[in-house]
Order: sequence, then C-alpha cells, then structure tokens
Amino acid sequence: SQTIHQWPATLVQPVGSPLSLECTVEGTSNPNLYWYRQAAGRGLQLLFYSVGIGQISSEVPQNLSASRPQDRQFILSSKKLLLSDSGFYLCAWRNPSGGQPQHFGDGTRLSIL
Amino acid sequence: GQQLNQSPQSMFIQEGEDVSMNCTSSSIFNTWLWYKQDPGEGPVLLIALYKAGELTSNGRLTAQFGITRKDSFLNISASIPSDVGIYFCAGQWGPNDMRFGAGTRLTVKP
Repeated sequence: SQTIHQWPATLVQPVGSPLSLECTVEGTSNPNLYWYRQAAGRGLQLLFYSVGIGQISSEVPQNLSASRPQDRQFILSSKKLLLSDSGFYLCAWRNPSGGQPQHFGDGTRLSIL
Repeated sequence: GQQLNQSPQSMFIQEGEDVSMNCTSSSIFNTWLWYKQDPGEGPVLLIALYKAGELTSNGRLTAQFGITRKDSFLNISASIPSDVGIYFCAGQWGPNDMRFGAGTRLTVKP
C-alpha cells in the first residue's frame, strides 16, 4: 500500500532563517505531488505541484520554492523565512491516472519567531 | 479561479443526531471529494464522487454529487464523539486542479 511521510512534524524557526521540509511517498511510482499551506482554522491553499522529477508549478508568488530531486521526494524550501510563513504545511500525492483523489501526509507545523 | 462555498462553518450537535453539510460552486467539477481533518493531522479522504447524481455511502456517511455538477452534500447519521473534526469538501476539474472549501467544524456533545 502507498504511504506518505512528512518531516519534521513541528518546527520553530527565527525570522530570516532558511527552511527545508521534506515529503516522501512509498508504494507508488510517478505520483503527482503537492504542497499546501493551511492557516489556523482555514482551508487549504495550494502552493506547488509536480507531475515529474524536476517539474514544478507554482500557484502563488511567495518566498518559498519547491524541488523534486527524485520521483517520490518533494521538498519545500525558503532562503529567508518571514513571519507570515507560519502555518501548517501539508504534502499530498495522487495517482496521475483518471480523476484519482489526493492523499495527505500528517503535516508540518511551522512557527516563525 | 473556481471558488467553493462550504456551509455551515461550524456545527454543535448532540451525540446521536444527524449532520448535513454542503458545498456549492459557480463552476462545474468532474470529481467531488470529502475529507476529514483531526487536530494536528492531515486531511483523510472519506468519500470520492465521480459522476453527476452519484450517491455513495461509507458507513454512517453518505455523500452525493449534484446533478448540475456544481454542488455536493455530506450527511453523517447518528453522530458519535469521534466524528468531531473539520470536514472539507474539494472539487476537482482536471489532473492538477483542485479547490477546497473552507471547512465545517463539527462538535459533538456527549
């Protein structure tokens, strides 16, 4: 069966520091991968998605970036964090065939001080 | 972009009561999905709907894909305390186009 892992689960970072969040998927190949941000008590905002290695599409302009160095690895990064980057970051995957639904990891709670 | 209107925003119900929530859109979707999110965790897929008019059940949960393809509802029958959480609808119209509702926060009083 397919599984998705995100780490770390929680992270506290000072303003201006770099960021690297990692997401890996097991049990499937060539998945579509997604990064979302969820503000407290709010819905999900799509940040990036990827349909293959090295292929990244950005949904919103921001100081975050994403990379997909391997088929089942998706990384969310920033060179300099802002206070507004605080939130709950979720990674998701889906089988690219048909209208398959997305499946989410357990998320990373990021707090910027 | 396509927006989803999910209602109600929150519900406070007694254990054993039935629950109903819905999502509407100004545009059509090819797939409707319902997720549940517990505090500090990622959303978990409850029900996926792929055809207009489709009615699907998962235990005490029932969801329908509206005939117009612009709406969907989720019903929970005989609620129990573990039903507490935030329920999200999501509409999908392409391989990489999915939009979420703002969520319905459900509280169940024993």
